[in-house]
Amino acid sequence: GDSVTQMEGPVTLSEEAFLTINCTYTATGYPSLFWYVQYPGEGLQLLLKATKADDKGSNKGFEATYRKETTSFHLEKGSVQVSDSAVYFCAPDRGSTLGRLYFGRGTQLTVWP
Amino acid sequence: NAGVTQTPKFQVLKTGQSMTLQCAQDMNHEYMSWYRQDPGMGLRLIHYSVGAGITDQGEVPNGYNVSRSTTEDFPLRLLSAAPSQTSVYFCASSYDNYNSPLHFGNGTRLTVT
Repeated sequence: GDSVTQMEGPVTLSEEAFLTINCTYTATGYPSLFWYVQYPGEGLQLLLKATKADDKGSNKGFEATYRKETTSFHLEKGSVQVSDSAVYFCAPDRGSTLGRLYFGRGTQLTVWP
Repeated sequence: NAGVTQTPKFQVLKTGQSMTLQCAQDMNHEYMSWYRQDPGMGLRLIHYSVGAGITDQGEVPNGYNVSRSTTEDFPLRLLSAAPSQTSVYFCASSYDNYNSPLHFGNGTRLTVT
Protein backbone atom coordinates (compact mmCIF):
# COMPACT_ATOMS: atom_id res chain seq x y z
CA GLY A 1 0.00 0.00 0.00
CA ASP A 2 0.88 3.65 -0.03
CA SER A 3 3.51 4.71 2.49
CA VAL A 4 5.74 7.59 3.48
CA THR A 5 9.18 7.22 5.01
CA GLN A 6 10.59 10.21 6.81
CA MET A 7 13.94 10.77 8.40
CA GLU A 8 13.93 9.55 11.98
CA GLY A 9 14.03 12.24 14.59
CA PRO A 10 14.60 14.00 16.76
CA VAL A 11 16.86 16.35 14.86
CA THR A 12 18.79 18.87 16.95
CA LEU A 13 20.59 21.79 15.32
CA SER A 14 22.22 25.05 16.29
CA GLU A 15 20.78 28.28 15.00
CA GLU A 16 21.88 29.11 11.43
CA ALA A 17 22.71 25.47 10.63
CA PHE A 18 21.58 23.81 7.40
CA LEU A 19 18.56 21.54 7.60
CA THR A 20 17.59 18.53 5.51
CA ILE A 21 14.67 16.26 6.35
CA ASN A 22 14.40 13.33 3.96
CA CYS A 23 11.07 12.06 2.66
CA THR A 24 10.42 9.20 0.24
CA TYR A 25 7.06 7.72 -0.63
CA THR A 26 5.30 4.98 -2.52
CA ALA A 27 2.22 5.85 -4.54
CA THR A 28 0.20 5.03 -7.60
CA GLY A 29 0.88 7.64 -10.26
CA TYR A 30 2.31 11.05 -9.48
CA PRO A 31 0.58 12.59 -6.49
CA SER A 32 0.81 16.19 -5.36
CA LEU A 33 3.22 16.46 -2.43
CA PHE A 34 2.92 18.51 0.74
CA TRP A 35 5.00 19.43 3.77
CA TYR A 36 3.13 20.37 6.93
CA VAL A 37 4.48 21.80 10.19
CA GLN A 38 3.06 21.35 13.68
CA TYR A 39 4.04 23.75 16.46
CA PRO A 40 3.54 22.62 20.07
CA GLY A 41 -0.10 22.39 21.09
CA GLU A 42 -1.39 23.30 17.65
CA GLY A 43 -2.83 21.66 14.57
CA LEU A 44 -0.89 21.13 11.38
CA GLN A 45 -0.21 24.04 9.03
CA LEU A 46 0.69 23.88 5.36
CA LEU A 47 4.36 24.72 4.84
CA LEU A 48 4.74 24.14 1.09
CA LYS A 49 3.58 21.97 -1.76
CA ALA A 50 4.50 20.81 -5.28
CA THR A 51 2.09 19.41 -7.83
CA LYS A 52 4.28 17.91 -10.56
CA ALA A 53 7.72 16.53 -11.29
CA ASP A 54 10.62 19.00 -10.86
CA ASP A 55 8.36 21.58 -9.21
CA LYS A 56 9.98 23.35 -6.27
CA GLY A 57 7.76 24.40 -3.38
CA SER A 58 9.05 27.14 -1.10
CA ASN A 59 7.90 29.12 1.93
CA LYS A 60 9.56 30.88 4.89
CA GLY A 61 13.03 29.89 3.63
CA PHE A 62 12.10 26.20 3.32
CA GLU A 63 12.29 24.42 -0.03
CA ALA A 64 11.47 21.00 -1.40
CA THR A 65 11.74 19.66 -4.96
CA TYR A 66 9.46 16.99 -6.44
CA ARG A 67 11.78 14.21 -7.63
CA LYS A 68 9.75 11.74 -9.68
CA GLU A 69 12.68 9.41 -10.43
CA THR A 70 13.49 8.83 -6.77
CA THR A 71 9.94 9.39 -5.41
CA SER A 72 11.35 11.87 -2.93
CA PHE A 73 10.44 15.29 -1.58
CA HIS A 74 13.22 16.30 0.81
CA LEU A 75 12.77 19.44 2.89
CA GLU A 76 15.68 21.89 3.17
CA LYS A 77 16.44 25.21 4.79
CA GLY A 78 19.73 27.02 4.56
CA SER A 79 19.75 28.65 7.99
CA VAL A 80 17.36 27.49 10.71
CA GLN A 81 16.05 29.65 13.54
CA VAL A 82 14.89 28.79 17.04
CA SER A 83 11.35 29.55 15.87
CA ASP A 84 11.58 26.65 13.35
CA SER A 85 11.47 24.16 16.23
CA ALA A 86 8.43 22.00 15.45
CA VAL A 87 7.38 18.65 14.01
CA TYR A 88 7.47 18.35 10.22
CA PHE A 89 5.28 15.99 8.19
CA CYS A 90 5.60 14.88 4.59
CA ALA A 91 2.27 14.00 2.91
CA PRO A 92 1.42 12.82 -0.62
CA ASP A 93 -2.12 13.37 -1.94
CA ARG A 94 -3.94 10.28 -3.13
CA GLY A 95 -7.06 12.18 -4.15
CA SER A 96 -10.46 12.06 -2.50
CA THR A 97 -11.44 8.53 -3.54
CA LEU A 98 -8.68 7.25 -1.23
CA GLY A 99 -9.00 9.83 1.52
CA ARG A 100 -6.52 12.42 0.24
CA LEU A 101 -3.35 13.05 2.26
CA TYR A 102 -1.45 10.28 3.98
CA PHE A 103 1.26 11.27 6.40
CA GLY A 104 4.71 10.18 7.45
CA ARG A 105 5.48 9.73 11.14
CA GLY A 106 6.80 13.25 11.46
CA THR A 107 10.29 14.56 12.27
CA GLN A 108 10.83 16.53 15.45
CA LEU A 109 13.22 19.45 14.94
CA THR A 110 14.76 21.36 17.85
CA VAL A 111 16.92 24.39 17.16
CA TRP A 112 19.17 25.75 19.92
CA PRO A 113 20.34 29.37 20.09
CA ASN B 1 -11.66 34.00 10.31
CA ALA B 2 -12.58 30.97 12.39
CA GLY B 3 -11.39 28.30 9.92
CA VAL B 4 -11.80 24.80 11.38
CA THR B 5 -13.16 24.71 14.92
CA GLN B 6 -12.97 21.60 17.08
CA THR B 7 -14.66 21.09 20.43
CA PRO B 8 -13.92 20.13 23.12
CA LYS B 9 -10.17 20.72 23.44
CA PHE B 10 -9.79 18.08 26.14
CA GLN B 11 -11.97 15.16 27.23
CA VAL B 12 -11.65 12.29 29.68
CA LEU B 13 -13.94 9.29 29.28
CA LYS B 14 -14.39 6.03 31.08
CA THR B 15 -14.27 2.79 29.12
CA GLY B 16 -17.64 2.11 27.52
CA GLN B 17 -18.86 5.70 27.48
CA SER B 18 -19.86 7.35 24.22
CA MET B 19 -19.27 10.89 23.05
CA THR B 20 -19.18 13.11 19.99
CA LEU B 21 -16.25 15.23 18.89
CA GLN B 22 -17.46 18.28 17.06
CA CYS B 23 -15.91 19.82 13.95
CA ALA B 24 -17.17 22.86 12.07
CA GLN B 25 -15.67 24.87 9.23
CA ASP B 26 -16.80 28.21 7.85
CA MET B 27 -14.90 28.16 4.56
CA ASN B 28 -17.56 26.32 2.50
CA HIS B 29 -15.15 23.42 2.00
CA GLU B 30 -16.48 20.30 0.33
CA TYR B 31 -13.94 17.86 1.71
CA MET B 32 -13.65 17.08 5.43
CA SER B 33 -11.77 14.40 7.32
CA TRP B 34 -10.78 13.09 10.73
CA TYR B 35 -7.30 11.93 11.74
CA ARG B 36 -5.90 10.57 14.94
CA GLN B 37 -2.34 11.29 16.02
CA ASP B 38 -0.46 8.87 18.22
CA PRO B 39 3.21 9.04 19.30
CA GLY B 40 5.47 7.50 16.70
CA MET B 41 2.56 6.78 14.35
CA GLY B 42 2.06 10.05 12.53
CA LEU B 43 -1.51 10.86 11.52
CA ARG B 44 -3.90 8.11 10.51
CA LEU B 45 -7.12 8.73 8.63
CA ILE B 46 -10.32 7.63 10.40
CA HIS B 47 -13.17 8.80 8.14
CA TYR B 48 -13.65 11.37 5.43
CA SER B 49 -16.37 13.08 3.42
CA VAL B 50 -16.32 14.56 -0.07
CA GLY B 51 -19.57 16.47 0.44
CA ALA B 52 -22.81 16.65 2.41
CA GLY B 53 -24.47 13.25 2.65
CA ILE B 54 -21.33 11.33 1.60
CA THR B 55 -18.88 9.65 3.96
CA ASP B 56 -16.28 6.92 3.64
CA GLN B 57 -13.87 4.96 5.79
CA GLY B 58 -10.18 5.67 6.15
CA GLU B 59 -7.41 3.46 7.52
CA VAL B 60 -8.66 3.09 11.10
CA PRO B 61 -12.49 3.43 11.15
CA ASN B 62 -13.38 0.76 13.73
CA GLY B 63 -15.12 2.16 16.80
CA TYR B 64 -16.00 5.46 15.15
CA ASN B 65 -19.02 6.78 13.24
CA VAL B 66 -19.46 9.94 11.21
CA SER B 67 -22.21 11.76 9.39
CA ARG B 68 -22.28 14.83 7.14
CA SER B 69 -25.72 16.40 7.16
CA THR B 70 -24.44 19.88 6.30
CA THR B 71 -21.41 21.23 4.45
CA GLU B 72 -20.16 22.95 7.62
CA ASP B 73 -20.26 20.14 10.20
CA PHE B 74 -18.57 16.75 10.43
CA PRO B 75 -18.95 15.20 13.91
CA LEU B 76 -17.04 12.10 14.97
CA ARG B 77 -18.83 9.70 17.32
CA LEU B 78 -17.15 7.23 19.62
CA LEU B 79 -19.69 4.49 20.21
CA SER B 80 -18.14 2.73 23.22
CA ALA B 81 -14.82 4.26 24.24
CA ALA B 82 -11.78 2.02 24.74
CA PRO B 83 -8.33 2.86 26.14
CA SER B 84 -6.91 2.25 22.63
CA GLN B 85 -8.82 5.33 21.50
CA THR B 86 -6.74 7.58 23.74
CA SER B 87 -5.25 9.96 21.21
CA VAL B 88 -5.26 13.45 19.78
CA TYR B 89 -7.94 13.88 17.13
CA PHE B 90 -7.70 16.38 14.29
CA CYS B 91 -10.37 17.49 11.89
CA ALA B 92 -9.26 18.85 8.52
CA SER B 93 -11.04 20.34 5.52
CA SER B 94 -10.18 21.44 2.00
CA TYR B 95 -11.81 23.42 -0.74
CA ASP B 96 -11.90 20.53 -3.16
CA ASN B 97 -10.88 16.93 -3.44
CA TYR B 98 -7.36 17.13 -4.83
CA ASN B 99 -4.37 19.46 -4.74
CA SER B 100 -5.90 22.05 -2.43
CA PRO B 101 -4.26 22.07 1.02
CA LEU B 102 -5.93 20.67 4.11
CA HIS B 103 -6.82 23.15 6.85
CA PHE B 104 -6.56 21.64 10.32
CA GLY B 105 -8.30 22.37 13.59
CA ASN B 106 -6.32 22.61 16.82
CA GLY B 107 -7.23 19.12 17.93
CA THR B 108 -9.08 17.34 20.71
CA ARG B 109 -7.01 15.46 23.27
CA LEU B 110 -8.99 12.43 24.42
CA THR B 111 -8.08 10.17 27.32
CA VAL B 112 -9.99 6.95 27.96
CA THR B 113 -9.46 5.36 31.37
